[in-house]
Amino acid sequence: EAQVTQNPRYLITVTGKKLTVTCSQNMNHEYMSWYRQDPGLGLRQIYYSMNVEVTDKGDVPEGYKVSRKEKRNFPLILESPSPNQTSLYFCASSSRTPPSYEQYFGPGTRLTVT
Amino acid sequence: QKEVEQNSGPLSVPEGAIASLNCTYSDRGSQSFFWYRQYSGKSPELIMFIYSNGDKEDGRFTAQLNKASQYVSLLIRDSQPSDSATYLCAGEKAAGNKLTFGGGTRVLVKP
Repeated sequence: EAQVTQNPRYLITVTGKKLTVTCSQNMNHEYMSWYRQDPGLGLRQIYYSMNVEVTDKGDVPEGYKVSRKEKRNFPLILESPSPNQTSLYFCASSSRTPPSYEQYFGPGTRLTVT
Repeated sequence: QKEVEQNSGPLSVPEGAIASLNCTYSDRGSQSFFWYRQYSGKSPELIMFIYSNGDKEDGRFTAQLNKASQYVSLLIRDSQPSDSATYLCAGEKAAGNKLTFGGGTRVLVKP
């Protein structure tokens, strides 16, 4: 079964305490991305990766880091979380073979930073 | 001006009717477009991908792209109550997976 998993699903933390949200996919997709979704602001891309060791900034990368050491994993790192990073986070993986495009989102991680 | 714009709705549609959703974009460099369905509290689900001008049909869904006018639309035929969701439009500038999303249109299909 095609799957993107994220952990943890829910996290409450305090300002400044480093955290990592893991993302893993089992479809051998080359593309992976992180998004945050906020009321009134919609879904915004944080970082994306086109393949192993290739990452690039999305629209809202400030305060986040990513790495892509293996094809299947794309962790999101918050080195010093702040309350404005309280949000719902989604990881996604995708593959394109024109004219087809396949993309799956993880179930989401709800993060609260106090 | 947002790069990708959608009417937030709600768009109320009787069951069995056609729901018509529109999305406009400002960056002429955008090449590929996506439609997602997102149920409340769930993750987005890709329903259509289009990169050529014209229509693309998949089941009850038809996506239409007009690059000259910079709009993308989604038609949902024979709308069902299970189609009630928020529909997100996204544009991609190049085949690099950098996506920009619109704010979404909420659709309500009434029995």
